[in-house]
Amino acid sequence: DAGVTQSPTHLIKTRGQQVTLRCSPKSGHDTVSWYQQALGQGPQFIFQYYEEEERQRGNFPDRFSGHQFPNYSSELNVNALLLGDSALYLCASSYNYGYTFGSGTRLTVV
Amino acid sequence: GIQVEQSPPDLILQEGANSTLRCNFSDSVNNLQWFHQNPWGQLINLFYIPSGTKQNGRLSATTVATERYSLLYISSSQTTDSGVYFCAVDPPYTDKLIFGTGTRLQVFP
Repeated sequence: DAGVTQSPTHLIKTRGQQVTLRCSPKSGHDTVSWYQQALGQGPQFIFQYYEEEERQRGNFPDRFSGHQFPNYSSELNVNALLLGDSALYLCASSYNYGYTFGSGTRLTVV
Repeated sequence: GIQVEQSPPDLILQEGANSTLRCNFSDSVNNLQWFHQNPWGQLINLFYIPSGTKQNGRLSATTVATERYSLLYISSSQTTDSGVYFCAVDPPYTDKLIFGTGTRLQVFP
């Protein structure tokens, strides 16, 4: 049984560009959450998707947006990238309760 | 919002030693979890423990919800225990995790 799969694993982008990160949830999980983890810090909640709708959102600007597809997979989009967006982006899937995290996408903005 | 603080921030041990990691949280929570983040970035859930005590092999955890703290015990540490340990709480009326500041553990042979 595959866990949470994220792609790509690493990414380098230039300031001002746009990026899309992808997440496939664990089998049987219908809820996907995204977290940003800056170097040396704990993960910070970005938003959560359930039934293709954004259900909750953390304290992140509108440059961060997402989508959930009918097969429960999800995308995180970040527009107008800033140097401060460099971080590890983690996806977590869940069903009722019980989070499973992916290995993350490490985004570097130069 | 809820504040989650962990101590110590860094811990260096020799293989075989025991350790205790602490997590303090500032308000009532629905649940508390302990995670181990390996060097490749993956977060592995160790315990769901809103209250009481649980044990899994060399690891055990205790949460005293009324006093708003949780402890993670690691006995007979091994080099593979190295990494960052996070506690995360689930505040009421939300379905998101608030992570603590983390404890970086290094175990040397």
